[in-house]
Amino acid sequence: SAVISQKPSRDICQRGTSLTIQCQVDSQVTMMFWYRQQPGQSLTLIATANQGSEATYESGFVIDKFPISRPNLTFSTLTVSNMSPEDSSIYLCSYLGVQETQYFGPGTRLLVL
Amino acid sequence: DAKTTQPTSMDCAEGRAANLPCNHSTISGNEYVYWYRQIHSQGPQYIIHGLKNNETNEMASLIITEDRKSSTLILPHATLRDTAVYYCIVTSTSGTYKYIFGTGTRLKVLA
Repeated sequence: SAVISQKPSRDICQRGTSLTIQCQVDSQVTMMFWYRQQPGQSLTLIATANQGSEATYESGFVIDKFPISRPNLTFSTLTVSNMSPEDSSIYLCSYLGVQETQYFGPGTRLLVL
Repeated sequence: DAKTTQPTSMDCAEGRAANLPCNHSTISGNEYVYWYRQIHSQGPQYIIHGLKNNETNEMASLIITEDRKSSTLILPHATLRDTAVYYCIVTSTSGTYKYIFGTGTRLKVLA
């Protein structure tokens, strides 16, 4: 499987600010996904990001709050906008690999004060 | 809602087999069963997946019942490093490829 990385690995931010999380895969992939994992909870899908098209958001997630870019087949970004303490979570990206299996990045741990 | 149901937690003695059950009674004919685990809030790690036949790889075995309404992940010789949350996911491999995570099973391997 391809290597997938995320930046930053963690951050502490002030409320009202925005943070952009980067996700890089070392080979070209068609589909990428963004998830949120709130403290002590399971993963929740935020959106699916395909290159060359707008991201598809899940119920409860909107583009104004979580804008996503997918400029090429190896890279995607997720921005968490106008943050509040409730946005404190682990944010994970994944890509769709062989046999339609998703492979996950290490996650970005966000704490909003 | 998640399409799977798993026990909240399980314990297993080190060196013994860990058998983790999953119920997916509403599974459709074109949906696969995937298993992942998450150690200490790291990114989930892929373990194994299957459609209807039993599968085995270097990490685990997957046993799917004939009616496909449930499955069991088997870690043949559990070690302390297998302590993790294990997720069973049902998804179609055509279309959206979305994963809906349930609450998972927290497996604790005891020395």
